[in-house]
Amino acid sequence: ILNVEQSPQSLHVQEGDSTNFTCSFPSSNFYALHWYRWETAKSPEALFVMTLNGDEKKKGRISATLNTKEGYSYLYIKGSQPEDSATYLCAFSAGNNRKLIWGLGTSLAVNP
Amino acid sequence: DVKVTQSSRYLVKRTGEKVFLECVQDMDHENMFWYRQDPGLGLRLIYFSYDVKMKEKGDIPEGYSVSREKKERFSLILESASTNQTSMYLCASAAGPLNTEAFFGQGTRLTVV
Repeated sequence: ILNVEQSPQSLHVQEGDSTNFTCSFPSSNFYALHWYRWETAKSPEALFVMTLNGDEKKKGRISATLNTKEGYSYLYIKGSQPEDSATYLCAFSAGNNRKLIWGLGTSLAVNP
Repeated sequence: DVKVTQSSRYLVKRTGEKVFLECVQDMDHENMFWYRQDPGLGLRLIYFSYDVKMKEKGDIPEGYSVSREKKERFSLILESASTNQTSMYLCASAAGPLNTEAFFGQGTRLTVV
């Protein structure tokens, strides 16, 4: 059974703090790893899709790294802002599978 | 901008009713998905389609069916709604294989009474 785990489950930080979350996934038969941000009352929005071991991607203050051999990805937010408050989801797909397997997400609250 | 549009934001139906949830995307995407999201359970795949008239079961297809007669439209059907199908339903679409991002609709909050 393919399983994606995210930690921590929730996080409260102060404005200006930097933070990071972890996504763990099966290391065999890797195809792609996705990160999404889901704000309350909105649709999930893609942040990154990563396919190569060692990939690092950046979008503004948010960046992500990927280690397919050990089966983890980190998402970093530098200088958190209240508008970063959201649930961050990761999803994994294996090479022989047409489906995305989703983690339960990390809920981030940034206090002004 | 890619747009995925779900027909209703909120829906209240009675037990036993047949319910149709419609999803339309405007970017010629091959893949379309229906998920439900429940507290503590994350996104669970109900059905997906990778081409017109093609469909595959996801992880929780029981009690649901789907229809994809046109590339842009993917419908989720609850044959006989039950209270345990009360949930948030999300439609998504993606171009090609799963190494490209998925785009989501705004979700339909379905309540079955």
